[in-house]
Amino acid sequence: AQKITQTQPGMFVQEKEAVTLDCTYDTSDPSYGLFWYKQPSSGEMIFLIYQGSYDQQNATEGRYSLNFQKARKSANLVISASQLGDSAMYFCAMNPPRGAQKLVFGQGTRLTINP
Amino acid sequence: NAGVTQTPKFQVLKTGQSMTLQCAQDMNHEYMSWYRQDPGMGLRLIHYSVGAGITDQGEVPNGYNVSRSTTEDFPLRLLSAAPSQTSVYFCASTNRGGRTEQFFGPGTRLTVL
Repeated sequence: AQKITQTQPGMFVQEKEAVTLDCTYDTSDPSYGLFWYKQPSSGEMIFLIYQGSYDQQNATEGRYSLNFQKARKSANLVISASQLGDSAMYFCAMNPPRGAQKLVFGQGTRLTINP
Repeated sequence: NAGVTQTPKFQVLKTGQSMTLQCAQDMNHEYMSWYRQDPGMGLRLIHYSVGAGITDQGEVPNGYNVSRSTTEDFPLRLLSAAPSQTSVYFCASTNRGGRTEQFFGPGTRLTVL
């Protein structure tokens, strides 16, 4: 069975600072995908970034990057130059091989950006 | 494209009542899923479908039924609502292939009294 662990229930960061949100995972499958989603207070789920288990390079999408350390089974999200609009819940998730429809989520980290 | 739509946005039920949460997508995605989100927790998979006529159980399927008669629609039925089913329900869709993210609907907030 797959499992995602997010150990930071809440984080507080000053605007314009970089922030790292931790995510560790557990799986016995050699092939898997890792995702990060943002959930603002309005409730919708917004896809941020994807990392495949066989990808050689860390994924990047604008201000978001994924620090993928396969041996340590970690997939931390890095947000550079944080903005007030980054305040939200952030969820790490993974899917098994041929399981794009079966995401397993962590409990989330609530990020608050202070002006 | 509207993406993934869900109705209703809010619903209050009494214990024992039944209802159907509607979900539709216009992206011609093969895969659709239902998740529930309880306070302070991540999303948990209820049921999923890999195509019309094909459904399977996720992590927390008890008390829910699904069917998939068309590619576009994937309704979730609560057979006899219980207070433990008070939650926010999300429908999602995606294409075959692990590199594609799931697209989520706006969610339905359900309260069972």
